[in-house]
Amino acid sequence: DTEVTQTPKHLVMGMTNKKSLKCEQHMGHRAMYWYKQKAKKPPELMFVYSYEKLSINESVPSRFSPECPNSSLLNLHLHALQPEDSALYLCASSQPTSGGRETQYFGPGTRLLVL
Amino acid sequence: GDSVTQMEGPVTLSEEAFLTINCTYTATGYPSLFWYVQYPGEGLQLLLKATKADDKGSNKGFEATYRKETTSFHLEKGSVQVSDSAVYFCALGSNMYSGGGADGLTFGKGTHLIIQP
Repeated sequence: DTEVTQTPKHLVMGMTNKKSLKCEQHMGHRAMYWYKQKAKKPPELMFVYSYEKLSINESVPSRFSPECPNSSLLNLHLHALQPEDSALYLCASSQPTSGGRETQYFGPGTRLLVL
Repeated sequence: GDSVTQMEGPVTLSEEAFLTINCTYTATGYPSLFWYVQYPGEGLQLLLKATKADDKGSNKGFEATYRKETTSFHLEKGSVQVSDSAVYFCALGSNMYSGGGADGLTFGKGTHLIIQP
């Protein structure tokens, strides 16, 4: 089973709201990722967690706050977002190797609209 | 840094036509190479992969061979179907950070494939 689940599927929020995106995997993977994808563009890496520790933050604004409560769960907390943050947010997981070339499995994404 | 270049399209073909989507890459070391497919309104699905030179990845009639001498990983299918209409991303995974560990994928810009009946 190579399933990564994400909730909610769709989210509409105002610029003053606080919301969270959730990602879950039960493949025993110890690396989890957040990507942001704008329309007609490839995914852009935001954060990487490796063994529940934040290992990569691609200079993402502080209004995005990741959290990895355990090896199966990954959250993305959202606060005071801007309309330009509207996008598809993709979660992925993999089993880290020494070479960093492991296969990443993606969830279906959360489509976020910021009004 | 690492980069992936692929034809952007849209590529429009008739059903049962032969498909080639070109992908070339620039990377240090020995990356793994992937093709992902994204259907409208969905996430990315792994289509196939290759982890070393001369490896051939294949799945659902699609094939791609890791060519180190030409730094390429072209996607091919002998006879496309309407259901193959989607966006295809070529990607590479490499250890850009010292010490190993998980790292993000480097994606090409994506190729929009349209198959007409």
